[in-house]
Amino acid sequence: QKEVEQDPGPLSVPEGAIVSLNCTYSNSAFQYFMWYRQYSRKGPELLMYTYSSGNKEDGRFTAQVDKSSKYISLFIRDSQPSDSATYLCAMRAQKLVFGQGTRLTINP
Amino acid sequence: ETGVTQTPRHLVMGMTNKKSLKCEQHLGHNAMYWYKQSAKKPLELMFVYSLEERVENNSVPSRFSPECPNSSHLFLHLHTLQPEDSALYLCASSQTDRREAFFGQGTRLTVV
Repeated sequence: QKEVEQDPGPLSVPEGAIVSLNCTYSNSAFQYFMWYRQYSRKGPELLMYTYSSGNKEDGRFTAQVDKSSKYISLFIRDSQPSDSATYLCAMRAQKLVFGQGTRLTINP
Repeated sequence: ETGVTQTPRHLVMGMTNKKSLKCEQHLGHNAMYWYKQSAKKPLELMFVYSLEERVENNSVPSRFSPECPNSSHLFLHLHTLQPEDSALYLCASSQTDRREAFFGQGTRLTVV
């Protein structure tokens, strides 16, 4: 079983839709949870960083962590074509472990 | 210049060549990393340097040789690579080895 599972997609939604991206994990020692956004031919860019269970909001983005279910989510409200990218979840205990990434396309 | 800078952005090399990838971070971090990103695979951690000492080497073939001369610079020396080594090589840094990492733009490597 992989430490971090993420549906690779691709996921395609119309502009303005609410997007939900998810990861599950198996290692209960993970304490830090991150979401990265990666545009084509670019390096990953840190989008959200959370430490504990609960929600964290930043503009149109909300990160949610449920440690009891070993499940994290990223919600994008009022999605824009510029949000089209690959989104990678990552989490850390001793080392940083990444999900495979979900390729997201927002259609105008 | 700010953040994490990688050079070159693109590299094509033959299997008998020797080349080096360079990474420089301007964030004052004390840990640096090399990752390999291949199509349809998660990011693979290759090497970790913390306080200029290599603390992790994830069974990477010896044809990849890292070097960390100081806390701001990281190199990846390449020799006798194989076509399957073609990938995006990403450098990252963090404040400690327990916090979020910041990435460079990557070097797109093609081995022919």
